Amino acid sequence: QQQVKQSPQSLIVQKGGISIINCAYENTAFDYFPWYQQFPGKGPALLIAIRPDVSEKKEGRFTISFNKSAKQFSLHIMDSQPGDSATYFCAASMGGAQKLVFGQGTRLTINP
Amino acid sequence: DGGITQSPKYLFRKEGQNVTLSCEQNLNHDAMYWYRQDPGQGLRLIYYSQIVNDFQKGDIAEGYSVSREKKESFPLTVTSAQKNPTAFYLCASSMGRGYTGELFFGEGSRLTVL
Repeated sequence: QQQVKQSPQSLIVQKGGISIINCAYENTAFDYFPWYQQFPGKGPALLIAIRPDVSEKKEGRFTISFNKSAKQFSLHIMDSQPGDSATYFCAASMGGAQKLVFGQGTRLTINP
Repeated sequence: DGGITQSPKYLFRKEGQNVTLSCEQNLNHDAMYWYRQDPGQGLRLIYYSQIVNDFQKGDIAEGYSVSREKKESFPLTVTSAQKNPTAFYLCASSMGRGYTGELFFGEGSRLTVL
C-alpha cells in the first residue's frame, strides 16, 4: 500500500512532442505528490509538485494532472526538448518528507 | 551558494571493508536523509535524522550506520555487513519535522565494491 508504481520505465520522444509519464498509488492518505528530475551523475531536483485539492498544476512546459478517484497522477512535458532528456521520478508522501515514497523512475530521451 | 556537498564522488572498496560517505549542508536545514539508488528501483531511504543527535532507520538500514553530531553533517558508513553495497548513494536535506515539501539532494557518491 506504500508503493508508487511508475510507467513507462523508458520513453523516447521526438523533439517538439509531448512526453507523458504516469504514476499510480494505493494509499489514499498521501497528500503531497512531487516530481523530481535527475540528470546523469547528478542528484534529483524538484521539478513540480501538487497536492490532492487540485486536479492540475502547470509550470511552463511541465504539467501535473491528478486524478484522485483513480489514484493516479501524471507528468506531461509539452514541446519536449533534448535538454529534457533525464530520469524522472514521481513520489508521494504523507506526514513529512521522511515518508516520501518514490516511483521506480522513467528514463526519458528526446531525439533531436 | 547554499547546497549539499557529498564526498567522495567515486569510491572503490574491497569486500570486508567499511567505508564512510560524507554529507555536509549549509542550508540550515534540520532534517537530513540518505537514499540508495539502484537501476529500476527508484530511491530507497536508508536513514534519516530530523534533529541533531537523533536519527531513525529507513526502509533498508541493515548494514549501514549514521551519526548526526552537528546540524550540517550526516555521514553514512557502509559496513561489511551490507551484502550488496555497490550503488549510487544520495544525501538530501529538508526544512524539518513534518515538512512535506522539497528535498534538496547532493550530487551523489558512487560506491563500487571490488
